[in-house]
Amino acid sequence: KAGVTQTPRYLIKTRGQQVTLSCSPISGHRSVSWYQQTPGQGLQFLFEYFSETQRNKGNFPGRFSGRQFSNSRSEMNVSTLELGDSALYLCASRTENTEAFFGQGTRLTVV
Amino acid sequence: EDQVTQSPEALRLQEGESSSLNCSYTVSGLRGLFWYRQDPGKGPEFLFTLYSAGEEKEKERLKATLTKKESFLHITAPKPEDSATYLCAVWRGKLIFGQGTELSVKP
Repeated sequence: KAGVTQTPRYLIKTRGQQVTLSCSPISGHRSVSWYQQTPGQGLQFLFEYFSETQRNKGNFPGRFSGRQFSNSRSEMNVSTLELGDSALYLCASRTENTEAFFGQGTRLTVV
Repeated sequence: EDQVTQSPEALRLQEGESSSLNCSYTVSGLRGLFWYRQDPGKGPEFLFTLYSAGEEKEKERLKATLTKKESFLHITAPKPEDSATYLCAVWRGKLIFGQGTELSVKP
Protein backbone atom coordinates (compact mmCIF):
# COMPACT_ATOMS: atom_id res chain seq x y z
CA LYS A 1 0.00 0.00 0.00
CA ALA A 2 1.50 3.34 -1.03
CA GLY A 3 2.20 5.86 1.68
CA VAL A 4 1.52 9.58 1.79
CA THR A 5 3.18 11.33 -1.14
CA GLN A 6 4.21 14.97 -1.06
CA THR A 7 5.49 16.98 -3.98
CA PRO A 8 7.79 18.67 -4.56
CA ARG A 9 10.38 17.54 -1.99
CA TYR A 10 12.34 20.78 -2.15
CA LEU A 11 11.46 24.35 -3.13
CA ILE A 12 13.33 27.63 -3.15
CA LYS A 13 11.21 30.77 -3.45
CA THR A 14 11.77 34.49 -3.16
CA ARG A 15 10.08 36.73 -0.59
CA GLY A 16 6.72 37.95 -1.81
CA GLN A 17 6.10 35.01 -4.12
CA GLN A 18 3.46 32.39 -3.55
CA VAL A 19 3.84 28.60 -3.45
CA THR A 20 1.59 25.55 -3.76
CA LEU A 21 2.42 22.22 -2.16
CA SER A 22 0.69 18.95 -2.96
CA CYS A 23 -0.22 15.90 -0.92
CA SER A 24 -1.66 12.55 -2.01
CA PRO A 25 -2.99 10.59 0.99
CA ILE A 26 -3.00 6.87 1.57
CA SER A 27 -5.75 5.23 -0.45
CA GLY A 28 -9.00 5.24 1.53
CA HIS A 29 -7.92 8.02 3.89
CA ARG A 30 -10.32 10.95 3.71
CA SER A 31 -8.66 13.19 6.29
CA VAL A 32 -5.60 15.21 5.33
CA SER A 33 -3.79 17.50 7.77
CA TRP A 34 -0.91 19.88 7.24
CA TYR A 35 1.83 20.72 9.74
CA GLN A 36 4.74 23.14 9.71
CA GLN A 37 8.01 22.06 11.31
CA THR A 38 10.74 24.54 12.27
CA PRO A 39 13.70 24.17 14.64
CA GLY A 40 12.32 26.85 16.97
CA GLN A 41 8.61 25.99 17.07
CA GLY A 42 8.65 22.28 16.36
CA LEU A 43 5.65 20.71 14.67
CA GLN A 44 2.62 22.98 14.50
CA PHE A 45 -0.81 22.23 13.09
CA LEU A 46 -1.95 24.27 10.11
CA PHE A 47 -5.30 22.79 9.09
CA GLU A 48 -7.26 19.62 8.42
CA TYR A 49 -9.49 18.75 5.50
CA PHE A 50 -12.07 16.00 5.44
CA SER A 51 -14.29 15.25 2.45
CA GLU A 52 -13.27 18.52 0.77
CA THR A 53 -14.19 20.64 3.82
CA GLN A 54 -11.85 22.35 6.24
CA ARG A 55 -12.60 20.75 9.57
CA ASN A 56 -10.04 22.37 11.83
CA LYS A 57 -7.60 25.25 11.61
CA GLY A 58 -4.49 26.20 13.54
CA ASN A 59 -3.12 29.59 14.50
CA PHE A 60 -1.59 30.71 11.24
CA PRO A 61 -2.25 33.89 9.21
CA GLY A 62 -4.64 33.91 6.29
CA ARG A 63 -1.69 33.71 3.89
CA PHE A 64 -1.79 29.99 4.56
CA SER A 65 -4.68 28.24 2.86
CA GLY A 66 -5.56 24.84 1.57
CA ARG A 67 -8.07 22.77 -0.25
CA GLN A 68 -9.00 19.16 -0.80
CA PHE A 69 -10.25 17.54 -3.97
CA SER A 70 -12.85 14.83 -4.42
CA ASN A 71 -10.12 12.17 -4.65
CA SER A 72 -8.86 13.33 -1.20
CA ARG A 73 -5.68 14.84 -2.63
CA SER A 74 -4.88 18.13 -0.95
CA GLU A 75 -2.97 21.27 -1.76
CA MET A 76 -1.59 23.94 0.52
CA ASN A 77 -0.92 27.46 -0.66
CA VAL A 78 1.19 30.16 0.96
CA SER A 79 0.95 33.64 -0.50
CA THR A 80 3.27 36.61 -0.05
CA LEU A 81 6.08 34.45 1.29
CA GLU A 82 8.17 35.68 4.20
CA LEU A 83 11.61 34.51 5.32
CA GLY A 84 9.99 33.00 8.42
CA ASP A 85 7.93 30.66 6.25
CA SER A 86 11.04 28.60 5.57
CA ALA A 87 10.23 25.22 7.07
CA LEU A 88 9.51 21.57 6.47
CA TYR A 89 5.83 21.25 5.55
CA LEU A 90 4.34 17.90 6.40
CA CYS A 91 1.12 16.31 5.30
CA ALA A 92 -0.57 13.51 7.24
CA SER A 93 -3.51 11.32 6.32
CA ARG A 94 -5.78 9.19 8.48
CA THR A 95 -9.14 7.53 8.67
CA GLU A 96 -11.50 8.33 11.54
CA ASN A 97 -10.18 5.43 13.59
CA THR A 98 -6.48 5.32 12.82
CA GLU A 99 -3.37 7.20 13.69
CA ALA A 100 -1.96 9.81 11.32
CA PHE A 101 0.63 8.75 8.76
CA PHE A 102 3.02 11.39 7.50
CA GLY A 103 4.60 12.03 4.15
CA GLN A 104 8.28 12.84 3.68
CA GLY A 105 7.57 16.56 3.63
CA THR A 106 8.36 19.51 1.38
CA ARG A 107 11.37 21.57 2.39
CA LEU A 108 10.57 25.20 1.57
CA THR A 109 13.35 27.77 1.62
CA VAL A 110 12.42 31.44 1.23
CA VAL A 111 15.27 33.76 0.18
CA GLU B 1 -4.02 24.87 27.86
CA ASP B 2 -3.06 21.54 26.29
CA GLN B 3 0.66 21.00 26.54
CA VAL B 4 3.20 18.28 25.80
CA THR B 5 6.73 18.39 27.22
CA GLN B 6 9.47 15.94 26.36
CA SER B 7 12.70 15.30 28.24
CA PRO B 8 15.56 15.18 27.85
CA GLU B 9 16.02 17.34 24.75
CA ALA B 10 18.99 15.23 23.72
CA LEU B 11 20.30 11.87 24.86
CA ARG B 12 23.56 10.21 23.95
CA LEU B 13 23.89 6.49 24.64
CA GLN B 14 26.44 3.82 24.01
CA GLU B 15 25.25 0.84 22.02
CA GLY B 16 23.54 -1.57 24.43
CA GLU B 17 22.96 1.08 27.11
CA SER B 18 19.22 1.04 27.91
CA SER B 19 17.36 4.23 28.82
CA SER B 20 13.97 5.96 28.82
CA LEU B 21 12.51 9.05 27.21
CA ASN B 22 9.80 11.01 28.98
CA CYS B 23 6.67 12.72 27.66
CA SER B 24 4.57 14.73 30.13
CA TYR B 25 1.18 16.00 29.07
CA THR B 26 -1.54 18.24 30.42
CA VAL B 27 -4.77 17.74 28.53
CA SER B 28 -8.36 17.46 29.64
CA GLY B 29 -9.57 14.07 28.51
CA LEU B 30 -6.82 12.16 26.74
CA ARG B 31 -7.97 10.72 23.42
CA GLY B 32 -4.74 9.12 22.41
CA LEU B 33 -1.02 9.59 22.93
CA PHE B 34 1.23 8.90 19.98
CA TRP B 35 4.92 8.20 19.58
CA TYR B 36 6.71 8.90 16.32
CA ARG B 37 10.28 8.52 15.15
CA GLN B 38 11.76 11.11 12.80
CA ASP B 39 14.99 10.82 10.86
CA PRO B 40 16.69 14.02 9.62
CA GLY B 41 14.93 15.56 6.61
CA LYS B 42 12.13 12.99 6.67
CA GLY B 43 8.56 12.84 7.90
CA PRO B 44 7.64 11.31 11.27
CA GLU B 45 7.20 7.55 11.26
CA PHE B 46 4.41 6.17 13.43
CA LEU B 47 5.47 3.92 16.31
CA PHE B 48 2.71 3.55 18.93
CA THR B 49 -0.69 4.73 20.08
CA LEU B 50 -1.69 4.56 23.76
CA TYR B 51 -5.17 5.36 25.03
CA SER B 52 -5.44 4.62 28.73
CA ALA B 53 -3.28 4.61 31.85
CA GLY B 54 -1.53 1.28 32.36
CA GLU B 55 -1.42 0.49 28.66
CA GLU B 56 1.89 -0.77 27.23
CA LYS B 57 3.01 -1.48 23.68
CA GLU B 58 6.22 -3.01 22.36
CA LYS B 59 8.03 -3.11 19.07
CA GLU B 60 11.49 -4.63 18.80
CA ARG B 61 13.73 -2.70 21.25
CA LEU B 62 11.06 -0.08 22.05
CA LYS B 63 8.38 -0.19 24.71
CA ALA B 64 5.89 2.60 25.36
CA THR B 65 3.98 2.98 28.61
CA LEU B 66 1.30 5.42 29.76
CA THR B 67 0.24 6.87 33.11
CA LYS B 68 -2.33 9.57 33.82
CA LYS B 69 0.25 12.33 33.46
CA GLU B 70 3.11 10.98 31.35
CA SER B 71 4.35 8.41 28.91
CA PHE B 72 7.71 6.73 28.70
CA LEU B 73 9.50 5.29 25.72
CA HIS B 74 11.90 2.65 26.97
CA ILE B 75 14.75 1.67 24.70
CA THR B 76 16.39 -1.65 25.54
CA ALA B 77 19.91 -2.40 24.28
CA PRO B 78 19.81 0.31 21.60
CA LYS B 79 21.71 0.08 18.35
CA PRO B 80 23.15 2.92 16.24
CA GLU B 81 20.21 2.59 13.84
CA ASP B 82 17.90 3.69 16.67
CA SER B 83 19.45 7.16 16.44
CA ALA B 84 16.66 9.61 15.54
CA THR B 85 14.39 12.23 17.07
CA TYR B 86 11.50 10.71 18.98
CA LEU B 87 8.31 12.75 19.07
CA CYS B 88 5.38 12.45 21.41
CA ALA B 89 1.95 13.90 20.59
CA VAL B 90 -1.57 13.97 22.00
CA TRP B 91 -4.75 14.04 19.99
CA ARG B 92 -7.08 16.99 20.50
CA GLY B 93 -8.79 17.13 17.13
CA LYS B 94 -5.26 17.64 15.85
CA LEU B 95 -1.89 16.37 16.96
CA ILE B 96 -0.17 18.52 19.60
CA PHE B 97 3.52 17.62 19.60
CA GLY B 98 6.26 17.93 22.13
CA GLN B 99 9.62 19.32 21.05
CA GLY B 100 11.13 15.86 20.71
CA THR B 101 14.12 14.01 22.14
CA GLU B 102 17.12 13.67 19.86
CA LEU B 103 18.65 10.26 20.52
CA SER B 104 22.18 9.42 19.46
CA VAL B 105 23.49 5.86 19.90
CA LYS B 106 27.23 5.39 19.44
CA PRO B 107 28.80 2.03 18.58
